[in-house]
Amino acid sequence: EAGVAQSPRYKIIEKRQSVAFWCNPISGHATLYWYQQILGQGPKLLIQFQNNGVVDDSQLPKDRFSAERLKGVDSTLKIQPAKLEDSAVYLCASSLEGGSYEQYFGPGTRLTVT
Amino acid sequence: RKEVEQDPGPFNVPEGATVAFNCTYSNSASQSFFWYRQDCRKEPKLLMSVYSSGNEDGRFTAQLNRASQYISLLIRDSKLSDSATYLCVVNTGNQFYFGTGTSLTVIP
Repeated sequence: EAGVAQSPRYKIIEKRQSVAFWCNPISGHATLYWYQQILGQGPKLLIQFQNNGVVDDSQLPKDRFSAERLKGVDSTLKIQPAKLEDSAVYLCASSLEGGSYEQYFGPGTRLTVT
Repeated sequence: RKEVEQDPGPFNVPEGATVAFNCTYSNSASQSFFWYRQDCRKEPKLLMSVYSSGNEDGRFTAQLNRASQYISLLIRDSKLSDSATYLCVVNTGNQFYFGTGTSLTVIP
């Protein structure tokens, strides 16, 4: 079974630039999550989708971050404009459903903002 | 108060030792609990779910204490390959909260 795919794996941008990350979840997984993991910390949930609807985006900095999952399959997370403090690993995860179901993580995108 | 708190360690233990990690959570309405393992510069991977009755998988035992609002992970007969960061995860409603992780290094 193919795992969660993410691209790019690494990205270096200057502050105030824009960047987009892509995620393709495991086939058949209805729930998709985007997390931000800053070095030395645990992952922080940014947004959770159930199919193509947003379940929770309470921790998404909406002035600069946006995410979509238009067809209920793959998803894109965008940052515009980036700040230095956005340097982190952005992890995408998927699960069959929300709640008690196991989450499977992709390899992440390591973003460095200079 | 943080939703989930873990002792970050590091824990440095010799091979063969038994080591235990605890994790406390603040919301008594939390519904499901997990331990994930994260190797350096890798993504988290599920180690085990934590059930009210406790569960065991080989050398790993997880327990939940709802009254005191903590979960624990016990690793027996530590192997070098157990060296990693162990993340406690709590699900409350639709939200998943991760602890900061506990770093374990098993020394030869």
